[in-house]
Parts: sequence; structure tokens; C-alpha cells
Amino acid sequence: GIQVEQSPPDLILQEGANSTLRCNFSDSVNNLQWFHQNPWGQLINLFYIPSGTKQNGRLSATTVATERYSLLYISSSQTTDSGVYFCAVEQEYSSASKIIFGSGTRLSIRP
Amino acid sequence: NAGVTQTPKFQVLKTGQSMTLQCAQDMNHEYMSWYRQDPGMGLRLIHYSVGAGITDQGEVPNGYNVSRSTTEDFPLRLLSAAPSQTSVYFCASSYSLDRGDYEQYFGPGTRLTVT
Repeated sequence: GIQVEQSPPDLILQEGANSTLRCNFSDSVNNLQWFHQNPWGQLINLFYIPSGTKQNGRLSATTVATERYSLLYISSSQTTDSGVYFCAVEQEYSSASKIIFGSGTRLSIRP
Repeated sequence: NAGVTQTPKFQVLKTGQSMTLQCAQDMNHEYMSWYRQDPGMGLRLIHYSVGAGITDQGEVPNGYNVSRSTTEDFPLRLLSAAPSQTSVYFCASSYSLDRGDYEQYFGPGTRLTVT
């Protein structure tokens, strides 16, 4: 099946710093999503981005489907950005329409 | 809208016991799924459903059963609990994956411990 790899696995930054999180996938995908899991375990959808670039406030994401990767950018980090960031993909041409998650990037923002 | 609700929030089982984790959504979503999340890991797909009466296996289906008799409900059954099933279980729903720009909504999770 498709492999989804995220890097780095852990990231510790000072408040105000910028960060880039990466998601590589091993096969063509129908779509890709980015999620944030906060320290209380709640999962929030950030972007649905099978290709191209989207922005929402301090967050933006870019997916280059032909090169099989996606990037999540966080600018001017705040402590509330802490948590785990997951990317999830739906494999293309899959009759089963499964969504597969990466193992996540744990982001810690220090005040 | 309540969104995606899961019950119970916490559960402790003894090895060999069976139980059902409940999941319901009130957004008329076609697609529903169950994931488990083990410490320090991502979410792994257990089972999913693309509509009432249709279910299929995910990555880690062994030891779990599902059914989808209505659009709203998607219960997950543990047939004979094992310590390896200790995990946090998340239910999610979305519009059809064929729809295009969809958003997946997650429930708050059920923390299950099997002793």
C-alpha cells in the first residue's frame, strides 16, 4: 500500500519562529489533507489540498502532486500551534477509497 | 449540529470481554470511518463505510466488526478484547470522497484500556 512519511518527527521552536513541515507519499493520490491534533487530543482539519497552494491566516500549504510531496508552513508561531500535525492521503485508483495517515510531526512552541 | 459524537469517552475492559463503541453524526455524511491511535503514532484505519449498508476493511481490521444500518450511526464492535487493542479510537465522517473538496470531521475519541 501507499507509504506516507512526515518530517521532521519532532520540532521545537521559540514563539514567533516560522516552520515548514513535509509530507512525502509513495504513490499517486486523489487528495491530501493536513490535520492538527491539539494537546487535548482533538483533531482539526486544516487544509484539503490535493494540489496547488492554499492559505489560511498564518498557515499555508502547498502540494506538488507530480513530485509526491506536500508542505505545511506555519509563520509567526504561537504556543497554541503546539501539537501534532498529520497529513493524510487518499490513494488514487483505489477501489477501496482508503485514507491513510502519516505518523505526524510533533511541534512544540516555547514562549 | 452536534457534529461527530462518540461514546463512551473512557472504557476499561478485561481480556476476552466484548463491547461496542458508538459513533454518530448528524451532518448526513456518506463516508464514516474508525481509526485507532497508539501512543506516539499516527492514526491507522480500522474499518470504513461509504454509505448505509456498505462497509470495508482498513489497515488493521482484525478483532473488530462494523455495520452501517443508517447514515447516522457507525458502531465498532470488539469481539474479544485483547491488551493489544488498548488505544484511543477515533470516529470520523465526511461527504463522499468522490465529491471533491470535502472536510473530514473527527469525534472526540474513546480511550480504551484492556487489562
